[in-house]
Amino acid sequence: NAGVTQTPKFRILKIGQSMTLQCTQDMNHNYMYWYRQDPGMGLKLIYYSVGAGITDKGEVPNGYNVSRSTTEDFPLRLELAAPSQTSVYFCASRPGQGRRGYTFGSGTRLTVV
Amino acid sequence: AQTVTQSQPEMSVQEAETVTLSCTYDTSESDYYLFWYKQPPSRQMILVIRQEAYKQQNATENRFSVNFQKAAKSFSLKISDSQLGDAAMYFCAYRSESWSSGGSNYKLTFGKGTLLTVNP
Repeated sequence: NAGVTQTPKFRILKIGQSMTLQCTQDMNHNYMYWYRQDPGMGLKLIYYSVGAGITDKGEVPNGYNVSRSTTEDFPLRLELAAPSQTSVYFCASRPGQGRRGYTFGSGTRLTVV
Repeated sequence: AQTVTQSQPEMSVQEAETVTLSCTYDTSESDYYLFWYKQPPSRQMILVIRQEAYKQQNATENRFSVNFQKAAKSFSLKISDSQLGDAAMYFCAYRSESWSSGGSNYKLTFGKGTLLTVNP
């Protein structure tokens, strides 16, 4: 099925560990995004990409890194995990200019203990 | 910077009744998009309805409609004939355009959400 696929769905990390959240889309969308959703809050933008090889920071980029080597994949890297990074992470994509909206993945629930 | 405010943390409605969720936003832009997203317990973010600011006509999608008041910067969502499946968290979102080294980009700014309960 076409869409945005995120893995894993759940993960528990210890403080100081690192991990990569995977995101892939098969719709040939140029734009991809990473959001985090803290309890009782809306989504906040971490990083985004306007195409392969191009990434830029969003509102809350500290503690994260991204890369975009292909159109399909947009992994999010957490280095030295901290409890403040406990959140639900959403990847999203959209095709480009125009009225069509975002397609979201189903999210990754990350707990840092 | 744009801000989106949803003043109702929780709302409840009886099945088959109508409920209105409130959203206000702050912006200095004249052309923009507004959205309502639904997030059920599955966590999937589902687009419910969108409104283009330059259109005076309120958007409708089946049982969902909006009341868009541009001057008041208000964008409320009305759900008619509420169904049990409508129970979810609802987020209002504002889409702005920004420019960076990577070029043009649209950014969504979300409110904190309203949790809607539908009572049978």
